[in-house]
Amino acid sequence: AQSVTQLDSQVPVFEEAPVELRCNYSSSVSVYLFWYVQYPNQGLQLLLKYLSGSTLVKGINGFEAEFNKSQTSFHLRKPSVHISDTAEYFCAVSDSGSARQLTFGSGTQLTVLP
Amino acid sequence: NAGVTQTPKFQVLKTGQSMTLQCAQDMNHNSMYWYRQDPGMGLRLIYYSASEGTTDKGEVPNGYNVSRLNKREFSLRLESAAPSQTSVYFCASSEWTVNSPLHFGNGTRLTVT
Repeated sequence: AQSVTQLDSQVPVFEEAPVELRCNYSSSVSVYLFWYVQYPNQGLQLLLKYLSGSTLVKGINGFEAEFNKSQTSFHLRKPSVHISDTAEYFCAVSDSGSARQLTFGSGTQLTVLP
Repeated sequence: NAGVTQTPKFQVLKTGQSMTLQCAQDMNHNSMYWYRQDPGMGLRLIYYSASEGTTDKGEVPNGYNVSRLNKREFSLRLESAAPSQTSVYFCASSEWTVNSPLHFGNGTRLTVT
């Protein structure tokens, strides 16, 4: 079974600064990778996903992530954050084709400061 | 467009009481899921239903039962609540492939005293 590590539980950053949220997963032959975002008092929603092809994936709200197979990482980045990006971000991994075997990381709380 | 609707939003139970969490989706998805979210632990799958008429255990099924009432509805039952079941519960739906993202409800915050 896959495991997912989100190294930072809290990331404070000033508005308009760049941010990187880190995600590492346990090794597998093939993986499907996701980032979900959870705004306060809401459910999670998909930010972006990597299934195959280009290792740089672009998502909604200006976020992007890069799949690095050799480092088993899928870090999330945004060049300039806004107050509205304050939320909890979850990395998720599946090594099969089924959504039932999706493993979530423990989450990173991003707080954007004015 | 409602998406995934969960009721209730909040609930307080005493140890040993029972309750059912309701979930309905209007996206015609085949698969539905129940997760629990605990601080520092991400989301853990309790039960899932790959399609109407089938249910199966996830990572943490003990103390829970589910019913896939029809294609739209998937309920989670706690027969005898315990303090360890204090958590935020999320229902989600999707198609049965990894290409299809999970669509989540807004959650039920349950406290067991």
